[in-house]
Amino acid sequence: DADVTQTPRNRITKTGKRIMLECSQTKGHDRMYWYRQDPGLGLQLIYYSFDVKDINKGEISDGYSVSRQAQAKFSLSLESAIPNQTALYFCATSAGAGVSTGELFFGEGSRLTVL
Amino acid sequence: GENVEQHPSTLSVQEGDSAVIKCTYSDSASNYFPWYKQELGKRPQLIIDIRSNVGEKKDQRIAVTLNKTAKHFSLHITETQPEDSAVYFCAANSGGSNYKLTFGKGTLLTVNP
Repeated sequence: DADVTQTPRNRITKTGKRIMLECSQTKGHDRMYWYRQDPGLGLQLIYYSFDVKDINKGEISDGYSVSRQAQAKFSLSLESAIPNQTALYFCATSAGAGVSTGELFFGEGSRLTVL
Repeated sequence: GENVEQHPSTLSVQEGDSAVIKCTYSDSASNYFPWYKQELGKRPQLIIDIRSNVGEKKDQRIAVTLNKTAKHFSLHITETQPEDSAVYFCAANSGGSNYKLTFGKGTLLTVNP
């Protein structure tokens, strides 16, 4: 089945380290997103990309950067991780304009702990 | 930008009862309102959505209603079952067709057998 795959699924790191979370998809979708989930805060949008040449900041982009290496790949980087970036991170995709539904398809999540 | 408020944050019901979760939004240009269900340890998945050109949509035991004038929409689950236990998120887009969603903070629904 076409899916959204995130690596790593779990990562423990130390303050100040650089971390990259990777996302790849076989759904053929143009749009890709990175969300952060904290208990009681829902899903907050970090960055989104509607095609390879399009990168946009979301609600909470400070401290994060992204790279859209190809239509199927979208990576999230933390240049210098800090403890309050400890969270569950989700990559998601959706089909492009002209499709009747804006359904998001989420990956399984990457749990990041910054000590 | 869009602001989505969701209530209640937790909801406990007996099996067979109905459950209602309510959300309000701020952007009058929003026109797409999905609901996602996240079971414990799993990824969020779309369960139902509604567009601003309709007031209600039903899919078996779940329904969503939308009041554009008041800027609020609600999820209704009837005849609840233990497998309905999960966190439910409402969301609204930021207007237009870009589908950039803003999510509510979630409601933890517990269905007691």
